[in-house]
Amino acid sequence: KNEVEQSPQNLTAQEGEFITINCSYSVGISALHWLQQHPGGGIVSLFMLSSGKKKHGRLIATINIQEKHSSLHITASHPRDSAVYICAVRSNSPKLVFGQGTRLTINP
Amino acid sequence: DAGVIQSPRHEVTEMGQEVTLRCKPISGHDYLFWYRQTMMRGLELLIYFNNNVPIDDSGMPEDRFSAKMPNASFSTLKIQPSEPRDSAVYFCASSSQGNAEAFFGQGTRLTVV
Repeated sequence: KNEVEQSPQNLTAQEGEFITINCSYSVGISALHWLQQHPGGGIVSLFMLSSGKKKHGRLIATINIQEKHSSLHITASHPRDSAVYICAVRSNSPKLVFGQGTRLTINP
Repeated sequence: DAGVIQSPRHEVTEMGQEVTLRCKPISGHDYLFWYRQTMMRGLELLIYFNNNVPIDDSGMPEDRFSAKMPNASFSTLKIQPSEPRDSAVYFCASSSQGNAEAFFGQGTRLTVV
């Protein structure tokens, strides 16, 4: 079993829908990262969080340390949100352990 | 700052050839990471440096892979000899501290034929 599990692996939705991507992890962590990767593109850090909730524009990330679970939400989704979203966790070292990613497609 | 800069963006080479990937981290960042991304295994850490010193290279696949950081503004990842199974996207990232947000380069897509 991977240390970091994401669900769903693939998600297709219509423009405007509310999107939720989930991440569960099995180890103690000091921080959790959400990353975005566009097709053929680089990787952009969206959030780094260790507790509670963070919001940036239409993106919201939450984490429940006790349940070892995090969610990434996108409100009013848009085709430009189509990308792979990757959850990664860090324990007591700078090393990141990554989930397999969720491929999101938003249709107009 | 221009962000983390990697070169080349694409590399196609024949099996057995030496390949060198390059990375310039963000100025002032003390940590540099090399990652590999494949369809089968996703993103994996290969090695990371702190203040130009390799700290953890447990992710380096085998002796064919080597990484150096001769100064704070430059790092290389070398594969010699290259094999088709090394085909992947290699990312370099840097961060100001070990527990800070990491900034990724655009990646180098390596194809070994």
